[in-house]
Amino acid sequence: GAVVSQHPSRVICKSGTSVKIECRSLDFQATTMFWYRQFPKKSLMLMATSNEGSKATYEQGVEKDKFLINHASLTLSTLTVTSAHPEDSSFYICSARGTSGRVNYEQYFGPGTRLTVT
Amino acid sequence: QKEVEQNSGPLSVPEGAIASLNCTYSDRGSQSFFWYRQYSGKSPELIMFIYSNGDKEDGRFTAQLNKASQYVSLLIRDSQPSDSATYLCAVSGGYNKLIFGAGTRLAVHP
Repeated sequence: GAVVSQHPSRVICKSGTSVKIECRSLDFQATTMFWYRQFPKKSLMLMATSNEGSKATYEQGVEKDKFLINHASLTLSTLTVTSAHPEDSSFYICSARGTSGRVNYEQYFGPGTRLTVT
Repeated sequence: QKEVEQNSGPLSVPEGAIASLNCTYSDRGSQSFFWYRQYSGKSPELIMFIYSNGDKEDGRFTAQLNKASQYVSLLIRDSQPSDSATYLCAVSGGYNKLIFGAGTRLAVHP
């Protein structure tokens, strides 16, 4: 149990285009989902927290108009990087947290999406 | 500023030995504590969580929590080369968030 999927696993896009990343909780209902980014050999940086049906809460310094987050259901959240630039190239990881069954407030991570902007 | 501190390592242990990973945190109000393992190029994987003072064992892993000292540790018994990874300590930080340490790199050599 407690499986989180992410799609795509890798994406290369051109500067100025937008990229959408999906995060799904496969076997539990995720009341809260989180989006992180990680640079090589660095720790996780929380970008935003989203609760199903409400607007995401962004961390200080994260542009909400650039990183659009939607949490439309208890099993799906999406992150859209708009007008991507090379400096947006990073490893984006989602995590999900729920309260059903075995999953009790712990965060479970998806496999991550490696974004490269050329 | 809530902080979680870990020694960056690398912590090098021989195969079969006990690896001891340590973490301190600044927020006395923290209630939940987690250890994640992250292999290079992969996302973190939850391996242990602990909510109460004392020890919690799961297979070769033991998490230890001392809230009075604001200290949490992870012991890995019979370390294997496959345990070589970065271990992230995470502490509940309010508003459902986790505060992560920078991680300790563990290297288990044959």
